[in-house]
Amino acid sequence: RKEVEQDPGPFNVPEGATVAFNCTYSNSASQSFFWYRQDCRKEPKLLMSVYSSGNEDGRFTAQLNRASQYISLLIRDSKLSDSATYLCVVNLNTGNQFYFGTGTSLTVIP
Amino acid sequence: IAGITQAPTSQILAAGRRMTLRCTQDMRHNAMYWYRQDLGLGLRLIHYSNTAGTTGKGEVPDGYSVSRANTDDFPLTLASAVPSQTSVYFCASSPDSAGANVLTFGAGSRLTVL
Repeated sequence: RKEVEQDPGPFNVPEGATVAFNCTYSNSASQSFFWYRQDCRKEPKLLMSVYSSGNEDGRFTAQLNRASQYISLLIRDSKLSDSATYLCVVNLNTGNQFYFGTGTSLTVIP
Repeated sequence: IAGITQAPTSQILAAGRRMTLRCTQDMRHNAMYWYRQDLGLGLRLIHYSNTAGTTGKGEVPDGYSVSRANTDDFPLTLASAVPSQTSVYFCASSPDSAGANVLTFGAGSRLTVL
């Protein structure tokens, strides 16, 4: 079983739409959670860390559900520039054990 | 510009050849990592280093070696390249090895082994 699983998509949404991605993780000892964004043929870049209480950064909201072992990312008012692959990342906090999902592809359509 | 520099950006290599991918960071991060990214498999850890002078094996270390002679440099060597090592390689770093730290990635090295 993979440590981190994501729906690969693709998600094709119109501009202005709200879209949500979920990611599940298998190890209940996981302590740190992140969403990274990766543009085509580029390196992953941190979008946001995910905190237990949930957190928001502008149009982006991340939530963590430890009981069900999933994290989510909500994007409101989608922009063309949001088109990218979104990677879910989980860490056990034991050092070096970052586990990456395979990514969810989002295309925002004019 | 602060960050991670990888070289080469891309390379086509004959099977059996030796290849070193270079990675340099100027952020004085203690921890450094090498990942490979393959379609449908996501990023997988090859080797890591928690601090200068130490290295460790990740999920897919076979066929690769690393060294960490100083804080800034973390080269990845393929002793005898095979076609299955065709991939995009990302070097990353973090302030230390604590899991809450954010990873900063280099721009990647696209390697094709024929």
